[in-house]
Amino acid sequence: SQELEQSPQSLIVQEGKNLTINCTSSKTLYGLYWYKQKYGEGLIFLMMLQKGGEEKSHEKITAKLDEKKQQSSLHITASQPSHAGIYLCGADILGGSEKLVFGKGTKLTVNP
Amino acid sequence: NAGVTQTPKFRVLKTGQSMTLLCAQDMNHEYMYWYRQDPGMGLRLIHYSVGEGTTAKGEVPDGYNVSRLKKQNFLLGLESAAPSQTSVYFCASIPRGVRAVGELFFGEGSRLTVL
Repeated sequence: SQELEQSPQSLIVQEGKNLTINCTSSKTLYGLYWYKQKYGEGLIFLMMLQKGGEEKSHEKITAKLDEKKQQSSLHITASQPSHAGIYLCGADILGGSEKLVFGKGTKLTVNP
Repeated sequence: NAGVTQTPKFRVLKTGQSMTLLCAQDMNHEYMYWYRQDPGMGLRLIHYSVGEGTTAKGEVPDGYNVSRLKKQNFLLGLESAAPSQTSVYFCASIPRGVRAVGELFFGEGSRLTVL
């Protein structure tokens, strides 16, 4: 969706490095989702954020939703080859419409 | 638990042929979605449904029709397939409102090729 912008489009990092992926909108984000997709496979749920300022972590992945609820970031600490894949953010940007749209994704490559 | 099941998983069509993709969920979810995924485009919403008997257009509805006659099933139809509809299609479901619950459950995807 053009209403959800993800950056960067692709990212290549060396194993062990930290990285951040961003998801932004000019509209308020309601129910912000992060998913991971291994190449050619299905989607793996990572986290969902709802409240402004909310932060959640799972293993070495942390996601935050800013106070204005217009930007979310996904941070990976000490990246590993297993983190490689496409990361997608999705949200209900109309609030109550239940129309869940997604960004174009960020392709992450982690070199050993 | 089966979760969200999509059939078929692979299909090759000729231009102009019709077909239906079936999405079935056994979790009693109210809301169901159909997305298509193309390289570099992320997931684009085709149609969605917030309950049995209801459907609504998403971002890219043209060339597709949907029906939700039963709560557990959400059908995506292509009346006259075009090469531009070559894609991977994903179905997803959620119990009710986005803000009320967490995970959006996805099916494994259906790969459609239109020649």
